[in-house]
Parts: sequence; structure tokens; C-alpha cells
Amino acid sequence: AQSVTQPDIHITVSEGASLELRCNYSYGATPYLFWYVQSPGQGLQLLLKYFSGDTLVQGIKGFEAEFKRSQSSFNLRKPSVHWSDAAEYFCAVGAMGNTPLVFGKGTRLSVIA
Amino acid sequence: SAVISQKPSRDICQRGTSLTIQCQVDSQVTMMFWYRQQPGQSLTLIATANQGSEATYESGFVIDKFPISRPNLTFSTLTVSNMSPEDSSIYLCSVLKPTGYEQYFGPGTRLTVT
Repeated sequence: AQSVTQPDIHITVSEGASLELRCNYSYGATPYLFWYVQSPGQGLQLLLKYFSGDTLVQGIKGFEAEFKRSQSSFNLRKPSVHWSDAAEYFCAVGAMGNTPLVFGKGTRLSVIA
Repeated sequence: SAVISQKPSRDICQRGTSLTIQCQVDSQVTMMFWYRQQPGQSLTLIATANQGSEATYESGFVIDKFPISRPNLTFSTLTVSNMSPEDSSIYLCSVLKPTGYEQYFGPGTRLTVT
């Protein structure tokens, strides 16, 4: 069965600092991987996705993520965090064949001045 | 992409009552799903809404509590029955388009049970 682990429940970074949010997945075949962001009281917004090809994917809002098969990881990064990035971030794994996404427990990002 | 609307956007309900949430998509989709997000938690899949047949429920969710309908390829409803405060959550509709790659989410229905 698919599963996603986000080891960090809460991360606090200073504005302008770099960010890395960790995500590890468990899946028998080649996974489709996603990062979503949820601001307080808002719906889910897709940041980026990986299906195949280049293992470094670029997303919206300056985010990127790198797929590392050997480590079963898909970590999200941003070189310089803005205060508006404070939100909940969810990593998710899916597969072709009409299967629903499985979500990690999320990482809450706080940004301080 | 897919544009998904949900009604109502939020509601406050008395315990013991039921609420039906509607999900409308702007195009035909292959799969429709219902998720629950309890306060401060991640998303948990409730069921897959199957067009023309009974929904497929995940472990821990039953049809009597969460009856689901999907009369066509663009519409589904989720009913939360005999509500208790523990049902206070955000309920999200999600769809997969025929390409089967990307899953889209509705804005959610925020339910509070008092």
C-alpha cells in the first residue's frame, strides 16, 4: 500500500532563509508525487508534481522539489522564504490507474521576521 | 484543469441531523473522491464515488454514515448522517480527469456540529 511520511510536523524559518520540507514515500511501482499547500481557511493548491523525466521539478511561487528514487524522497525546497509562504504543506503520492492520492500528515510552516 | 464547486461552503448543524454536500465539476471526469480533513489533520479518503453503482468506502467509513451518490459524470453528493461533534471537519470533493494523472480539489465544505 502507498504511504507518505512527512517527518516534520512544524518548521519555523526566518524570512529570506532557505527552506526544505521532507517527504518520504512508500510505493511498489513508480509513483506520481505531488506537493500541495493549504493556507489557513483556504483550499488545497497544487505547488508542483512529478510524473517522470527530470527529477528536479519546478513549481509555482518559486518552489522546487527533487525526486530521489534511491532515498524514496521528494523534498520540497525554496531558496528564500517569504512571509506569505506560511501555511500547511502536504506531500502526496498517487499512481496511474484511477487511484486516489494518499497524503502525508502535513508540515506546518511558520515564517518569522 | 477542472473547476469544482461545492455547496454549501460551510454550515453549522445540530447533532443528530444530516447534511448533504454537493460537488459539481465543469467537465466529465473519470473518478470522483470524497476526503475528510479533521481539524489540524491531513486529508483522509472517505470513499470513491462510482457513477451508476455503489461507492467504494475506505476502512473506517460506512455507507450508513456517509451515503454517496453519483448520478452522472459531473456531479456527486456526500451525506453526513446522524452527525456528532466528531464529524466537525472539512469535507473535500476531488476528481481525476480521463488522463488520470492529476487530481483536482474543490474548495471544501467546512462543517461544524454542535
